[in-house]
Amino acid sequence: DAGVIQSPRHEVTEMGQEVTLRCKPISGHDYLFWYRQTMMRGLELLIYFNNNVPIDDSGMPEDRFSAKMPNASFSTLKIQPSEPRDSAVYFCASSHLDRGNSPLHFGNGTRLTVT
Amino acid sequence: AQSVTQLDSHVSVSEGTPVLLRCNYSSSYSPSLFWYVQHPNKGLQLLLKYTSAATLVKGINGFEAEFKKSETSFHLTKPSAHMSDAAEYFCVVTRRAGGFKTIFGAGTRLFVKA
Repeated sequence: DAGVIQSPRHEVTEMGQEVTLRCKPISGHDYLFWYRQTMMRGLELLIYFNNNVPIDDSGMPEDRFSAKMPNASFSTLKIQPSEPRDSAVYFCASSHLDRGNSPLHFGNGTRLTVT
Repeated sequence: AQSVTQLDSHVSVSEGTPVLLRCNYSSSYSPSLFWYVQHPNKGLQLLLKYTSAATLVKGINGFEAEFKKSETSFHLTKPSAHMSDAAEYFCVVTRRAGGFKTIFGAGTRLFVKA
């Protein structure tokens, strides 16, 4: 099991540019989550999917943010145009719904710096 | 409504001494409770989870947590701290009924002194 894979690990871009973050969840997991972590706000849930369908995107900060999950093994989070305040670490996590207590499995994150 | 409160933002211990990281939760029904650890530049890693099978839960790296319903607590402990335990720890409550909802505590940063 390779775990949740995120790419890139680091992204530095200029304000106004488009940024795309990628995530490959653990095979067989039916939930996928995108989180943002900053010193000021801690961990914030941006959006989550169940069986590739967006269920709750109330955490997406603005229309500049969009997320897709075209299939069970891939998801993207896009920021267009990017702004310096978007600088943060973005985590993807996946989970499998069962009768027990299924934890979230996190990727190592993408550290985004917008200058 | 659900909530999680980690009572200490920072905890400092000496190597070889016990660790106690405190967590209180609020939940209107039986919660699913977890502790995660985050090392620098890493994602969150599951330490342990409460499954309702036993109130004392053992996790990885010698950590354990006790679920106390009467006190609505789920404190994390370790008998003897190691330098490698220095990290940030998150207490988490999850609900699946009515939609998936995960509430993270604010985190406790553990410092371990030599």
